[in-house]
Amino acid sequence: EVQLLESGGGLVQPGGSLRLSCAASGFTFNKYAMTWVRQAPGKGLEWVSGIGGSGRSTYYADSVKGRFTNSRDNSRNTVYLQMNSLRAEDTAVYYCAKRTVYGSGLSDYFDYWGQGTLVTVSS
Amino acid sequence: QSVLTQPPSVSAAPGQKVTISCSGSSSNIGNNYVSWYQQLPGTAPKLLIYDNNNRPSGIPDRFSGSKSATSATLGITGLQNGDEADYYCGTWDSGLSDSYVFGAGTKVTVL
Repeated sequence: EVQLLESGGGLVQPGGSLRLSCAASGFTFNKYAMTWVRQAPGKGLEWVSGIGGSGRSTYYADSVKGRFTNSRDNSRNTVYLQMNSLRAEDTAVYYCAKRTVYGSGLSDYFDYWGQGTLVTVSS
Repeated sequence: QSVLTQPPSVSAAPGQKVTISCSGSSSNIGNNYVSWYQQLPGTAPKLLIYDNNNRPSGIPDRFSGSKSATSATLGITGLQNGDEADYYCGTWDSGLSDSYVFGAGTKVTVL
């Protein structure tokens, strides 16, 4: 059974930093890309970042580029999201999801999701 | 403003059918497969449809997807109270953003 467990959320002041973790189990971790999606309170889903199976390729939404860093440790089956220079608009539930992509990106979807971790940026 | 356009809400009585549209462009839906996600109140999203019209294991055939040109549609037949949720379409956008994009979501209400 695929399981994804996020941790690391909490309250942080504007300009501060936070590192989220997502521990995965139930699948061959290093063979799959992973992604982070966030949802602000009462709002829709927003894709944040993706990372390839080896960790060499990373992708970011314009809203977080230069501030967030996506990485993974395949020996620990864990993906991380380092968030720096946090802003009030980064307040959201952050979900990690297993990503299945093939056909040169023609097919791209998130087949398993974690329960999410809440990040609140406020003074 | 989302790159993919969905109606904010749809509603129908139990047992009826609803359809949710997702309109995009050639840089997203027009050249990539679409997936749909269901988010029940207070829970994480769940994959409902992938590759335009495929259902993951465990998803009932009351849920269906289709795509034509730059638009996609999610259909739910035999509507049940448990289907009341937010539904999101998603796909990769290779335009200016070059990122994965979601629609703003559609709230399905069972009357």
